[in-house]
Amino acid sequence: DAGITQSPRYKITETGRQVTLMCHQTWSHSYMFWYRQDLGHGLRLIYYSAAADITDKGEVPDGYVVSRSKTENFPLTLESATRSQTSVYFCASSEYAGLNTEAFFGQGTRLTVV
Amino acid sequence: KNQVEQSPQSLIILEGKNCTLQCNYTVSPFSNLRWYKQDTGRGPVSLTIMTFSENTKSNGRYTATLDADTKQSSLHITASQLSDSASYICVVSGAYGYNKLIFGAGTRLAVHP
Repeated sequence: DAGITQSPRYKITETGRQVTLMCHQTWSHSYMFWYRQDLGHGLRLIYYSAAADITDKGEVPDGYVVSRSKTENFPLTLESATRSQTSVYFCASSEYAGLNTEAFFGQGTRLTVV
Repeated sequence: KNQVEQSPQSLIILEGKNCTLQCNYTVSPFSNLRWYKQDTGRGPVSLTIMTFSENTKSNGRYTATLDADTKQSSLHITASQLSDSASYICVVSGAYGYNKLIFGAGTRLAVHP
């Protein structure tokens, strides 16, 4: 299906484990983003990517690793999960970096670290 | 510090009524302001994008206004429907880089029959 999809939708993991959240988009958008959404807070940018093999840190990158070997995929890895990383994670993509360019969001992954 | 504040935090209205959500921001420099609708368990979906030169923008029953001088925006929903029940997020973009979106915490709207 066309669009942006995230997997899994729900994930429970233990403290200290490595976990990877997947994001796939079918539009060939250049830009992709990872956000986390916590209760009472606005979405906060974790990492973003301007193109394949180009990534950069956002506001809250500590504890996360990203890669982008292909334009359509942008996985987010928690190297050693902590309880503070319990959150809802959203992936987004946009065609350009233009300031008025629309961003499209995935459905989110709810991650619980126990 | 760049901030986006929304009010109220939550709101309950009856179906068919109108409502207005507020957004105040301190982001500078300013490029554009967006309103998103986020249904429970879903990702945000764009309603409007306004640049500093636009005062109002409509999308069906949704009308957004912007006063760049006072750094305030509002989202007016006309003749509310049950499907309008969602969180509404105000997002402000600075002039330097698409990665500079500042998100508000959102207003949670519940429309009751």
